[in-house]
Amino acid sequence: AQKVTQAQTEISVVEKEDVTLDCVYETRDTTYYLFWYKQPPSGELVFLIRRNSFDEQNEISGRYSWNFQKSTSSFNFTITASQVVDSAVYFCALSEAGSGGGADGLTFGKGTHLIIQP
Amino acid sequence: DTGVSQDPRHKITKRGQNVTFRCDPISEHNRLYWYRQTLGQGPEFLTYFQNEAQLEKSRLLSDRFSAERPKGSFSTLEIQRTEQGDSAMYLCASSHTRDLQYEQFFGPGTRLTVL
Repeated sequence: AQKVTQAQTEISVVEKEDVTLDCVYETRDTTYYLFWYKQPPSGELVFLIRRNSFDEQNEISGRYSWNFQKSTSSFNFTITASQVVDSAVYFCALSEAGSGGGADGLTFGKGTHLIIQP
Repeated sequence: DTGVSQDPRHKITKRGQNVTFRCDPISEHNRLYWYRQTLGQGPEFLTYFQNEAQLEKSRLLSDRFSAERPKGSFSTLEIQRTEQGDSAMYLCASSHTRDLQYEQFFGPGTRLTVL
């Protein structure tokens, strides 16, 4: 069975601080995918990133960076120089490799509510 | 707008009634997913289709729930004999197996309230 744990229910920081959102996952599969999604107050989930289980290279996209470590089953997300617009609920998710390509249904964590105060 | 659309956006019903939701995926997306999200929780996977075929169903999907995608385009999710525990946001997402990012594009959801 798959499981995603986001232990931080809520994080509040002041604008321009760096913040890291933790994600720990469990799966028996050797091939799987990890995702981060953002859910702003408007409600629609927005895709941020996907990583393959066989690619542990960290990734940076602007102020966002992701640290994937198979040894600790973690896929953490860091926002550098946070901004008020980053305020949202962030979800980490896991999926098996689907038949016919692509990913199966996602198993989401409970999310971390990030509050960036001006 | 060519995003995922869902109808209705809100539905209030009485316990025991049947409800049906519709999802229109992004054009040409061959995969369509249904999730359920309750307050303060992450979305929970219910089922997904590739074209017309229903490839996976979660154990969360009780016998009262049924989903269809008859022509491989839009999909419907029906809940029979609704219960108060069915109150949630029902999310639809679509993707294409050609997309190497495996990104699922989510719709705005249908909020169901069972009285």
